[in-house]
Amino acid sequence: DTEVTQTPKHLVMGMTNKKSLKCEQHMGHRAMYWYKQKAKKPPELMFVYSYEKLSINESVPSRFSPECPNSSLLNLHLHALQPEDSALYLCASSQVGGGLGGTDTQYFGPGTRLTVL
Amino acid sequence: AQSVTQLDSHVSVSEGTPVLLRCNYSSSYSPSLFWYVQHPNKGLQLLLKYTSAATLVKGINGFEAEFKKSETSFHLTKPSAHMSDAAEYFCVVIIYNKLIFGAGTRLAVHP
Repeated sequence: DTEVTQTPKHLVMGMTNKKSLKCEQHMGHRAMYWYKQKAKKPPELMFVYSYEKLSINESVPSRFSPECPNSSLLNLHLHALQPEDSALYLCASSQVGGGLGGTDTQYFGPGTRLTVL
Repeated sequence: AQSVTQLDSHVSVSEGTPVLLRCNYSSSYSPSLFWYVQHPNKGLQLLLKYTSAATLVKGINGFEAEFKKSETSFHLTKPSAHMSDAAEYFCVVIIYNKLIFGAGTRLAVHP
């Protein structure tokens, strides 16, 4: 089974709201990722959790806050977002993460379509 | 530095005709390469992966890709297009478990 699940499928929020996106995998993978994808563009990496250690893309604003409660769950907390944050947010997982020459296949979830009004 | 270039932003074919999506890579050593497909408003689905075991890689849904080191290419092919193949396709190289995406090729399939 190579399934990564994400909830909700769609989310509409105002700029003052606080919301969370959820991601779950039951493949025993030890690395999980958040990506942001704008229309007609490839995904951009936001965060990596590898063996529950966080790596951050320095360009991601602090209004995005990841949380990894355990090795199979990954949340993305959203606060005070801007309209330009509207995008498809994709979660992925791989068997291991980081390390020299890491080439593990990343399996993606279906995404959450976020609209910020 | 690792990078990939997808040579066509759009490809249009008729149903039942062959598909060719072109990808060139740049790498300082033997790369691991992927092709992913994304249908509208969906996540990315792995089509196939090259990791130096065999230069011709077979994937799902009848797709295959050939790794050519001399040409630094990893083109994706399918003998006969189906309407359900219409989607965005990404060629990807991986380093330190970080995916480096090409810009994508949108495949349109006409009846």
